[in-house]
Amino acid sequence: RKEVEQDPGPFNVPEGATVAFNCTYSNSASQSFFWYRQDCRKEPKLLMSVYSSGNEDGRFTAQLNRASQYISLLIRDSKLSDSATYLCVVRNYGGSQGNLIFGKGTKLSVKP
Amino acid sequence: NAGVTQTPKFQVLKTGQSMTLQCAQDMNHNSMYWYRQDPGMGLRLIYYSASEGTTDKGEVPNGYNVSRLNKREFSLRLESAAPSQTSVYFCASSSQTSGANEQYFGPGTRLTVT
Repeated sequence: RKEVEQDPGPFNVPEGATVAFNCTYSNSASQSFFWYRQDCRKEPKLLMSVYSSGNEDGRFTAQLNRASQYISLLIRDSKLSDSATYLCVVRNYGGSQGNLIFGKGTKLSVKP
Repeated sequence: NAGVTQTPKFQVLKTGQSMTLQCAQDMNHNSMYWYRQDPGMGLRLIYYSASEGTTDKGEVPNGYNVSRLNKREFSLRLESAAPSQTSVYFCASSSQTSGANEQYFGPGTRLTVT
């Protein structure tokens, strides 16, 4: 089983739609969780960290379910500019210093 | 404030040639990283440097060497390039040795080995 798994998509949604991505991780000792965004042929950039209690940043909501070992990202009122690949990222406690484990990404395409 | 810069942006090598990818950050970060990104594989850690003067292997270190020249600069060297090293290479940095803080990525180097 891959350490971090995501549905690769693509998710094709109309503007204004709500879309949700899930990500599962295999290591129950994982400590930190993030969503990164990567535009085509660009570098990844942090979208948001994921906290145990769940957190929201504008139209984006991230949730963590430790018992089931999954992380979700909800995007409300999708914009054309949300089109990108969303990377689920996990850091394991006691792992190599700074070693983040990246999922392969879920591609989102928002259409007019 | 340029963040993380990488040179070159593009490179084509023949099998067996060597080259060094350069990375520099101006954010006074302690930790720096080299990743490669291949289609269908996601980002994989090659080497990292938790602080100036230290380097450690990541998930896929074979065929690569690194040098943490100073706090700002972290270079990646391919001694004898192979077609399997065709990839996009990203350098990143973060402020804490734990890496729990956000990692900032450079724009990447697109390397093709023929």
